Amino acid sequence: LAKTTQPISMDSYEGQEVNITCSHNNIATNDYITWYQQFPSQGPRFIIQGYKTKVTNEVASLFIPADRKSSTLSLPRVSLSDTAVYYCLVGPYGGATNKLIFGTGTLLAVQP
Amino acid sequence: EAQVTQNPRYLITVTGKKLTVTCSQNMNHEYMSWYRQDPGLGLRQIYYSMNVEVTDKGDVPEGYKVSRKEKRNFPLILESPSPNQTSLYFCASSKGGPGEKLFFGSGTQLSVL
Repeated sequence: LAKTTQPISMDSYEGQEVNITCSHNNIATNDYITWYQQFPSQGPRFIIQGYKTKVTNEVASLFIPADRKSSTLSLPRVSLSDTAVYYCLVGPYGGATNKLIFGTGTLLAVQP
Repeated sequence: EAQVTQNPRYLITVTGKKLTVTCSQNMNHEYMSWYRQDPGLGLRQIYYSMNVEVTDKGDVPEGYKVSRKEKRNFPLILESPSPNQTSLYFCASSKGGPGEKLFFGSGTQLSVL
């Protein structure tokens, strides 16, 4: 199972772009990288997923270098409502093991 | 609407009184799993299931049981709850394995007195 490492917390201001990097040195060939957002007392919510290079959707971008040992979630022009914990997960679409290990996540605090 | 439904949202019980937290999904997902979340410890997986009648332990299975008799349901059973099982619990499902997009329930806040 690939273990992930993220910064514990980050601070930003409204309107800024925020980049959160996740390290996953032992990622396997069939692993995908997924990011989730969690607000207090709510279940995590899917943000974006990728396998390699760059993925963009309506809320975020995900950058994955060629060696796939890290990934960066990019949130453009954050607002106060983006204050949340962000989790990076690495796992396969089914396989020999279906365990899932969440890292500690990154608490993003957006200030006015 | 595609969703994972957990019940109850809040539960207060006493030590040793058996309880069940229900989880149901309407997306025909193969993979279902349970997590507990404690301050400073993040989300930890309790049990998971790849299909009907197929379940396996996650990282913190002690004191919990699960069953997967139907594809849509994955109840979490605490046969003899103890205070250290006071926590926020989440159920989640995905189409295939854990690497696919997970849909989470809204959570169950359990207090064991």
